[in-house]
Amino acid sequence: SQQGEEDPQALSIQEGENATMNCSYKTSINNLQWYRQNSGRGLVHLILIRSNEREKHSGRLRVTLDTSKKSSSLLITASRAADTASYFCATRRLSGTASKLTFGTGTRLQVTL
Amino acid sequence: GAVVSQHPSRVICKSGTSVKIECRSLDFQATTMFWYRQFPKKSLMLMATSNEGSKATYEQGVEKDKFLINHASLTLSTLTVTSAHPEDSSFYICSAVGTSGVYEQYFGPGTRLTVT
Repeated sequence: SQQGEEDPQALSIQEGENATMNCSYKTSINNLQWYRQNSGRGLVHLILIRSNEREKHSGRLRVTLDTSKKSSSLLITASRAADTASYFCATRRLSGTASKLTFGTGTRLQVTL
Repeated sequence: GAVVSQHPSRVICKSGTSVKIECRSLDFQATTMFWYRQFPKKSLMLMATSNEGSKATYEQGVEKDKFLINHASLTLSTLTVTSAHPEDSSFYICSAVGTSGVYEQYFGPGTRLTVT
């Protein structure tokens, strides 16, 4: 069953604004990852944050992790129309890639000009 | 970065027929591959975990006789949807992890299956 819940389910912003998506999960994790999916396409890995990390940056992306609240957020700064996509968080409970990656429900982001 | 391919990208078949979807890791060896199913505007649901040379492990509720998985080599896994029905229409995505123990999974571009 899905572990993560994301909110909002859909987000519409204008180009240049920041977009924040939140993810909550239920069990303890080893790491949490964020993925992007363009409509009808596969997933692209954006960023991974380990359970002992609190914040991570990659370009215009900023991810936070609060293990006490079992939540994470993805911030996209200075959004562009090309950022329009669905964004999913995914958690891995155990170390090692052979353990399951469980996806959240996703946030559909629309960035308008 | 690592590349995972899927073939075909789209397939339309008639009810009752079987369809095979291939997943290949192009520039790395994948000891483990995962098969996901995604309904429109929904998240990815893990169907099964496939390890090279052994039987796949299916998630609860996934019919192993209907969704046959074969991980014959370190670069190829196949998913065969047997006796397909319209409700099997979906987007199927495979994912592979390498032997080097990196944390990331690499995802294929997906296969859109439509059963008429």
